Amino acid sequence: GAVVSQHPSWVICKSGTSVKIECRSLDFQATTMFWYRQFPKQSLMLMATSNEGSKATYEQGVEKDKFLINHASLTLSTLTVTSAHPEDSSFYICSARSASGRGRTGELFFGEGSRLTVL
Amino acid sequence: AQSVTQPDIHITVSEGASLELRCNYSYGATPYLFWYVQSPGQGLQLLLKYFSGDTLVQGIKGFEAEFKRSQSSFNLRKPSVHWSDAAEYFCAVRSSNTGKLIFGQGTTLQVKP
Repeated sequence: GAVVSQHPSWVICKSGTSVKIECRSLDFQATTMFWYRQFPKQSLMLMATSNEGSKATYEQGVEKDKFLINHASLTLSTLTVTSAHPEDSSFYICSARSASGRGRTGELFFGEGSRLTVL
Repeated sequence: AQSVTQPDIHITVSEGASLELRCNYSYGATPYLFWYVQSPGQGLQLLLKYFSGDTLVQGIKGFEAEFKRSQSSFNLRKPSVHWSDAAEYFCAVRSSNTGKLIFGQGTTLQVKP
């Protein structure tokens, strides 16, 4: 099936630094990607919707200046956690909606997730 | 607003026993419903989905789910559970307007040998 790749799969950083997580659709084009955050033993909480070529739409309560999202191409969206703090430690998962290529149009595919630990 | 409720946080079944995971949704129109499975530290894998048509949906790994509009439910079932089915299971509803997926709280499945 269609593949969504996230990189890095896990990262440890010092408090105050910024971390970038990439989400790539490998064999299809995705005009829309979604970023989720998952705390241990909890569900996925939608953070923002990333649309290619336009600004991301953030969910209520998500700081847009803290979590910068860029969707520069039809196959790549990035999430940058700026000035990370320990409370930002979490599992971040992206999903991409197929616009063309492998998979039915409109179908959602999930990445494997990226675990962020802020010391 | 759309919402999904999974009433069971944790379920333990014996290997070979049948399984049913409950999911209730709140959505004004005909919902797009999904079941995903997540192994520890991994992303989500789609088990099955319901958009329209036959209310009994077959998925991968021997799972099935039945959409019951009258009960606003989309319960996941498997006749005989395998040890490898131990994982976290999420029910989700997708908004036809925004395409956003709203997830339930998840149910942790433990399988006893």
